[in-house]
Amino acid sequence: AQSVTQLGSHVSVSEGALVLLRCNYSSSVPPYLFWYVQYPNQGLQLLLKYTTGATLVKGINGFEAEFKKSETSFHLTKPSAHMSDAAEYFCAVSDPYGGSQGNLIFGKGTKLSVKP
Amino acid sequence: GAVVSQHPSRVICKSGTSVKIECRSLDFQATTMFWYRQFPKQSLMLMATSNEGSKATYEQGVEKDKFLINHASLTLSTLTVTSAHPEDSSFYICSAHGRDEQYFGPGTRLTVT
Repeated sequence: AQSVTQLGSHVSVSEGALVLLRCNYSSSVPPYLFWYVQYPNQGLQLLLKYTTGATLVKGINGFEAEFKKSETSFHLTKPSAHMSDAAEYFCAVSDPYGGSQGNLIFGKGTKLSVKP
Repeated sequence: GAVVSQHPSRVICKSGTSVKIECRSLDFQATTMFWYRQFPKQSLMLMATSNEGSKATYEQGVEKDKFLINHASLTLSTLTVTSAHPEDSSFYICSAHGRDEQYFGPGTRLTVT
């Protein structure tokens, strides 16, 4: 069965500092990988996704993530944090054999706080 | 990008009553929609997969008679929480599959008193 582990339920960084949110997955086959952001009392917004091809994926708002098969990881990074980045971030996987129709399995989420 | 709406955004109901939540894909047709539940400070848990024109597929542990799902058209799926109890209070989020990814609705906050 697939699972997603997000290390650190809460990450705090200073404005302008590097953001690193960790995500590891377990799957018998390389899955599709996603990062979503959720602002309070709102739904999820897709930041970026990896399906096939280039392992370094660039997303919206300056975020990027790198798929490392050998480490079964898909960590999310941003070079310089902005106050507006404060939110909850979810890593998710889906079964590639289910195609993009497959349901998503989410990690527990990481709350990012940005200090001025 | 594609837009998915949910209505209502927030609802308060009394214990024992039923509540219907609508999920609409506004600019695309979705043969598959998903319903998730999110408890405070927790992740999203898939409740069921809604397929247009057929019965929904429920995840283990989700009562299909309590959480009724209807996907009568390619742009609308509804979730009805029947005989709601305080423990059903939660944030319910739908998503619709369109193009090559899932698009999420803004969520519905249900409070059962």
